[in-house]
Amino acid sequence: GAGVSQSPRYKVAKRGQDVALRCDPISGHVSLFWYQQALGQGPEFLTYFQNEAQLDKSGLPSDRFFAERPEGSVSTLKIQRTQQEDSAVYLCASSLKGSYNSPLHFGNGTRLTVT
Amino acid sequence: AQSVAQPEDQVNVAEGNPLTVKCTYSVSGNPYLFWYVQYPNRGLQFLLKYITGDNLVKGSYGFEAEFNKSQTSFHLKKPSALVSDSALYFCAVSGGLSGYSTLTFGKGTMLLVSP
Repeated sequence: GAGVSQSPRYKVAKRGQDVALRCDPISGHVSLFWYQQALGQGPEFLTYFQNEAQLDKSGLPSDRFFAERPEGSVSTLKIQRTQQEDSAVYLCASSLKGSYNSPLHFGNGTRLTVT
Repeated sequence: AQSVAQPEDQVNVAEGNPLTVKCTYSVSGNPYLFWYVQYPNRGLQFLLKYITGDNLVKGSYGFEAEFNKSQTSFHLKKPSALVSDSALYFCAVSGGLSGYSTLTFGKGTMLLVSP
């Protein structure tokens, strides 16, 4: 596809359920990022991959959050035992190169609502 | 820690008038600075960046921004606003202790251009 694709577009989960959010980056893009955007706030960094290597996971808010990119392309963000404070839009972005001279291309996000 | 401040939640301007969206930053060392725009139900789109060199950078859709090191600012400007410029604008910075792989975003400024 032409852009970053995220699925599902919307997800409603009951508190305590596990969820998995998928990101298909632009083909050939080396770097992949996950951000969390709460209502009325700017995106906040969660984690960063270069190819299949997770180089930075300092933004993951708890050990309930886990991300992987096993083949250096598609990535999955998993949240275990969801809590209401996890409700947010989860954004995935990719860039061609491994440095910030290359701008980020964002997907439309997955809106997670935990009830 | 690095941070970004966007002091205005909303900026209102009439079509044809110049617009400015303000951004100040805090980071140790040399910053990389970015502006992104978010249209309703769309992902963030890259507008422009400052890495090094000329303090005035030009980007997409006629936007420009000026890097001012002494004032730690990176205001977004456009000489003549269009109704279609109405959107949510985010300033972002990387660098410092968090390194250049992590973008820190401001809270965003809603730009409303009236006909």
